[in-house]
Amino acid sequence: QLQLQESGPGLVKPSETLSLTCTVSGGSISSSSYYWGWIRQPPGKGLEWIGSIYYSGSTYYNPSLKSRVTISVDTSKNQFSLKLSSVTAADTAVYYCARLARTLPFDYWGQGTLVTVSS
Amino acid sequence: DIVMTQTPLSLSVTPGQPASISCKSSQSLLHSDGKTYLYWYLQKPGQPPQLLIYEVSNRFSGVPDRFSGSGSGTDFTLKISRVEAEDVGVYYCMQSIQLPPFTFGPGTKVDIK
Repeated sequence: QLQLQESGPGLVKPSETLSLTCTVSGGSISSSSYYWGWIRQPPGKGLEWIGSIYYSGSTYYNPSLKSRVTISVDTSKNQFSLKLSSVTAADTAVYYCARLARTLPFDYWGQGTLVTVSS
Repeated sequence: DIVMTQTPLSLSVTPGQPASISCKSSQSLLHSDGKTYLYWYLQKPGQPPQLLIYEVSNRFSGVPDRFSGSGSGTDFTLKISRVEAEDVGVYYCMQSIQLPPFTFGPGTKVDIK
């Protein structure tokens, strides 16, 4: 059974960089069939896709966040990571990692991790 | 970006009764490959979203057959034939025809009367 688990600091100061890692177990991140992605959800609000990455390192990002986002992959550790720079309180959210295929986007999700931006 | 809208934004349903949620997109979700890239997710309280329906009308693995999806072009509907207590949560539609970005609807909160 595929499992995804987010990890990283739960509190980040304004203007600093948010860094999260998603560890994939029960399957290979190097599968040619899937991309891997990050989605976030501010408290009490809806879902926003942040970006996605292929095992080769190919990425695509939400244009609204592109200038601040970097997603990378480490196939040796079966992990992919998110960095979001220059954070503000508006970046406070539950951050989810998920798997996506062309016809089955976001079929497996991590449990999510709350990141609060506050001094 | 393609804008997704949903109606209603909240719905209170008696167990055993049907429920219906509408989703509209600002552009057609019909691709030249013949597929329509519209999806439905359910986020139960305290959980991540889960995929219910893909490509308008296909139930994902393990999804009960009381859930059905229909529609075409820009207008789509999710129906629950007989609502059960475990169906409470927020339902989101999402498009993937025009990337980036994936865009979600605002969500429809379903609870039990």
